Amino acid sequence: QQPVQSPQAVILREGEDAVINCSSSKALYSVHWYRQKHGEAPVFLMILLKGGEQKGHEKISASFNEKKQQSSLYLTASQLSYSGTYFCGTDSGSARQLTFGSGTQLTVLP
Amino acid sequence: DVKVTQSSRYLVKRTGEKVFLECVQDMDHENMFWYRQDPGLGLRLIYFSYDVKMKEKGDIPEGYSVSREKKERFSLILESASTNQTSMYLCASSLGGQEQFFGPGTRLTVL
Repeated sequence: QQPVQSPQAVILREGEDAVINCSSSKALYSVHWYRQKHGEAPVFLMILLKGGEQKGHEKISASFNEKKQQSSLYLTASQLSYSGTYFCGTDSGSARQLTFGSGTQLTVLP
Repeated sequence: DVKVTQSSRYLVKRTGEKVFLECVQDMDHENMFWYRQDPGLGLRLIYFSYDVKMKEKGDIPEGYSVSREKKERFSLILESASTNQTSMYLCASSLGGQEQFFGPGTRLTVL
């Protein structure tokens, strides 16, 4: 069963913040976050492992609440280059395959 | 520079044809994956392989098969293409549970 991402789409002005949520009905071992720009392949952003770890990548960070089986991606002071579709991928312990959410389309306007 | 390549960016086939999509990675990864991507549905796993000659069904394997004869190459086969298999197909590879590296995708149209 796919994890549920919210919101489905968000439009921001440059400099604004955004939060994208990913929720699973299964116990999670890890959560991956990817960004896909239009016409391109998805690109890895970060991985969060079981343990409530929080990670950062430039002005993009994420948290993982294993008890709630949720992860959130935080985009701070959005830049135009942040536009794209963000996917979470969840691993329920196989350490091999991921189940991806349906994506959140983020548009950053000047 | 790590790389996953796919044999075609665009492919047009007729209903009933046998279709081969090829994927090659140069990172010596043991895991390889085939996904299809449709608007609003995200990335859905068709098949994956964690070793040569090994394969496992993903979430939507019906109508597809795969082949992995060499570690670097993973093929997706549509035995008899149908119009509902028109989609973007993405190949990916990974080492263990680490990040997945994606190829550029093949946009397949079945007429």
